[in-house]
Amino acid sequence: AQSVTQLGSHVSVSEGALVLLRCNYSSSVPPYLFWYVQYPNQGLQLLLKYTSAATLVKGINGFEAEFKKSETSFHLTKPSAHMRDAAEYFCAVSSQAGTALIFGKGTTLSVSS
Amino acid sequence: GAGVSQSPSNKVTEKGKDVELRCDPISGHTALYWYRQSLGQGLEFLIYFQGNSAPDKSGLPSDRFSAERTGGSVSTLTIQRTQQEDSAVYLCASNPRLAGEETQYFGPGTRLLVL
Repeated sequence: AQSVTQLGSHVSVSEGALVLLRCNYSSSVPPYLFWYVQYPNQGLQLLLKYTSAATLVKGINGFEAEFKKSETSFHLTKPSAHMRDAAEYFCAVSSQAGTALIFGKGTTLSVSS
Repeated sequence: GAGVSQSPSNKVTEKGKDVELRCDPISGHTALYWYRQSLGQGLEFLIYFQGNSAPDKSGLPSDRFSAERTGGSVSTLTIQRTQQEDSAVYLCASNPRLAGEETQYFGPGTRLLVL
């Protein structure tokens, strides 16, 4: 069975500071991994995805994530936070392309000026 | 092009009533998914349609929940005899199921409140 754990339900940073959102997964097969962002009262928007190509994945809005098989992690980072990055972030895993996603509980990112 | 659309955007109903939620996937997308987002449970998979194959219903929480997809396009999620614990945001997603395309594209959701 697959699962996703997001460490920290709430992360607060100052504008310009490093953003680090943690995600660990459990999967019996090579996983597909995703980070989605959800702004208030909106649906989910894909930030980036890992699909067994490069382990360092770059996404939209300056975010990137690194797949580390040995640590079963897929942490999301951004060098410098902006106020507009304040949102809820979800890590998700699937075992095969196009199958149902298993989501973590989400991490709410707050950015202060 | 147009994204995934869902209707209604908000629905308030009384306990015990039936509700229908609609999803219009992106044109040409053969895979369609329903998820539920609630405060207590986070984001949960409900059901998955792929082309003409039998749907994967493994995430449906009870037999009060059902879904159909007509003509391989529009889908309707029906909740019978609604309960207060059904209050949640119901999200629909679609995927073209093409080689190399793993992304699920989400709609804005239907916010359901059961009084």
